[in-house]
Amino acid sequence: EPEVTQTPSHQVTQMGQEVILRCVPISNHLYFYWYRQILGQKVEFLVSFYNNEISEKSEIFDDQFSVERPDGSNFTLKIRSTKLEDSAMYFCASANRLGYNEQFFGPGTRLTVL
Amino acid sequence: DAKTTQPTSMDCAEGRAANLPCNHSTISGNEYVYWYRQIHSQGPQYIIHGLKNNETNEMASLIITEDRKSSTLILPHATLRDTAVYYCIVRGTGGGNKLTFGTGTQLKVEL
Repeated sequence: EPEVTQTPSHQVTQMGQEVILRCVPISNHLYFYWYRQILGQKVEFLVSFYNNEISEKSEIFDDQFSVERPDGSNFTLKIRSTKLEDSAMYFCASANRLGYNEQFFGPGTRLTVL
Repeated sequence: DAKTTQPTSMDCAEGRAANLPCNHSTISGNEYVYWYRQIHSQGPQYIIHGLKNNETNEMASLIITEDRKSSTLILPHATLRDTAVYYCIVRGTGGGNKLTFGTGTQLKVEL
């Protein structure tokens, strides 16, 4: 069964460093998402991406965040200058259509900012 | 998207049916009810969704009341592996496709 994959599974970085989280969505999906979950808190929407552009973003997704689909398979989330409060699980998701669709989530990347 | 209310936690004996309720009294006509679950910090997993008719798939059944103000997710024969946080999400098709997760129901399946 096709699945969303994410790398790395765990990333440790120093405050102020740039990190890139990688995702490989399901191959025929066209809609891509990033969510995050701070330990013990709710899953929060960050951004959605379609047709090589951001279709929606949350207040969390400020100028230090960016997303890219550099090739036909990868979908990346970049955090330019990490802060302690960016420590969280980051989940990538993909869907094959808009509207009444289900989103398929990856296993997540645990980001720890020291 | 309409707000949902779910119990914080529930217990269920293995092999029995788990019935997870959700209230969504402000749901509007074009909004669907979605259920996802999250097993211990893994990525959320889609379970089922519906508009007004009852739905069933290989994982669960979804019962939506006639007035659509509440719904129940039924896991017919719960196993230990069904221990998870279950999220009821109501959303329409307009705007973006983001999912807004609440705190969900922590279901604990015990022997």
